[in-house]
Amino acid sequence: DAKTTQPPSMDCAEGRAANLPCNHSTISGNEYVYWYRQIHSQGPQYIIHGLKNNETNEMASLIITEDRKSSTLILPHATLRDTAVYYCIVRVATDKLIFGTGTRLQVFP
Amino acid sequence: DTEVTQTPKHLVMGMTNKKSLKCEQHMGHRAMYWYKQKAKKPPELMFVYSYEKLSINESVPSRFSPECPNSSLLNLHLHALQPEDSALYLCASSQEASWVTGNTIYFGEGSWLTVV
Repeated sequence: DAKTTQPPSMDCAEGRAANLPCNHSTISGNEYVYWYRQIHSQGPQYIIHGLKNNETNEMASLIITEDRKSSTLILPHATLRDTAVYYCIVRVATDKLIFGTGTRLQVFP
Repeated sequence: DTEVTQTPKHLVMGMTNKKSLKCEQHMGHRAMYWYKQKAKKPPELMFVYSYEKLSINESVPSRFSPECPNSSLLNLHLHALQPEDSALYLCASSQEASWVTGNTIYFGEGSWLTVV
């Protein structure tokens, strides 16, 4: 099973871009990278996912390196409401979505 | 509409009680999931249902009994729980259980369970 490594915590100033890294060096060729976030006491919220190409939606951008061993989630203009735990997840071969320990992002004024 | 609805939001039960958590989605999804989350920990997968059949049981104790009456509903029956089972229980759904096409899993807000 592919595993992910994320820094336990990060800070970001409000209005600046938040760049959250994720290492998934054992990822297989057909495994997607997913990002979710969880605001305190709420259910996880889907952000974005990708396979090989960079992806962008209304919430964030996902940059995946060419060798697919790492990726970065970019929140272009962080707000206080983006304070949350961000999970980088690689789907395992079976029908599972397994969460790692995540990065606790603190956005400050 | 990407809503997964869970009831109740909060539940307090004694160790001898029988209770149930309920989950509903109307997105036509054919895969549904139960996760358990302890404080300051990531969610842990418990069960996966695919086309109303149990496809994955992550070695969950039998005091937790899942049920999928139809494609829109998922229940988690609770009996003889222990205080350490107190946690946030999350329901989720996706179009398919297979991840080959990169489909998205959507989570409900969870049910907070306290066992006394």
